[in-house]
Amino acid sequence: RKEVEQDPGPFNVPEGATVAFNCTYSNSASQSFFWYRQDCRKEPKLLMSVYSSGNEDGRFTAQLNRASQYISLLIRDSKLSDSATYLCVVNIGGNRKLIWGLGTSLAVNP
Amino acid sequence: IAGITQAPTSQILAAGRRMTLRCTQDMRHNAMYWYRQDLGLGLRLIHYSNTAGTTGKGEVPDGYSVSRANTDDFPLTLASAVPSQTSVYFCASSRQLKGYTFGSGTRLTVV
Repeated sequence: RKEVEQDPGPFNVPEGATVAFNCTYSNSASQSFFWYRQDCRKEPKLLMSVYSSGNEDGRFTAQLNRASQYISLLIRDSKLSDSATYLCVVNIGGNRKLIWGLGTSLAVNP
Repeated sequence: IAGITQAPTSQILAAGRRMTLRCTQDMRHNAMYWYRQDLGLGLRLIHYSNTAGTTGKGEVPDGYSVSRANTDDFPLTLASAVPSQTSVYFCASSRQLKGYTFGSGTRLTVV
C-alpha cells in the first residue's frame, strides 16, 4: 500500500458544482497534513493546512479523520480557475519530511 | 526576489556532462529541499538541508549532490548526467516544517 493514496481522477465537473476529494494515508503516526494545488507545468502551491478540527478557507473546506486515516478537500461553487491537480501531503515526522500523493486532477467545465 | 528563484528554467544536457541547478531563497527559511517530479511517480525528494552547513539524503539521492554553504543558496549538482535524470526539478524551502514554498522549477532533458 502506498503511504499516501489519492484517486487520480480526472474529476470533470460543471461550474458551480461541489466536488470532494479524499486522500488516505497509511502511517498512523502522521503529524500534519496539507493540500497543495499544482497547475499544469507549474510549481505546487500550498492551498491549505488540514487541522484536526477541520478548517475552511472561502469555498474550500478541509477535514481530517484520524481514526480512518484520511483527509478530504471540499470545493464549493467550483470556478473554471479551480481546474488543477490537487496534491495531498502528509508529514510523518523525522527526516522523512513530507510524503506526497500523486494528485487528483480536476477539470471545471463551463 | 521575494521567494525562491531557480535557474535555469530549462536545459538540454548531453549525457555525461556535469550540471548545477541553482536555487536561491530570500525568506530566511532554515530548511531547503530538492525534488524531482516525473509523470506517474509524483514528487520525490532528492536531498534536503535542515539548516546551513547540513545536508541529508532523500528518497532518490543517487547521481546528485548538494551543498548548503549559507542560508539562501542550495545548489543541486549532477556529476555525470544520464537520460533517467530527465525530469522537472523543484527547489523548496520551509520554516519549521510549515508549508513549503516552491521555486518555479527547472525542466531538464538529458540526451
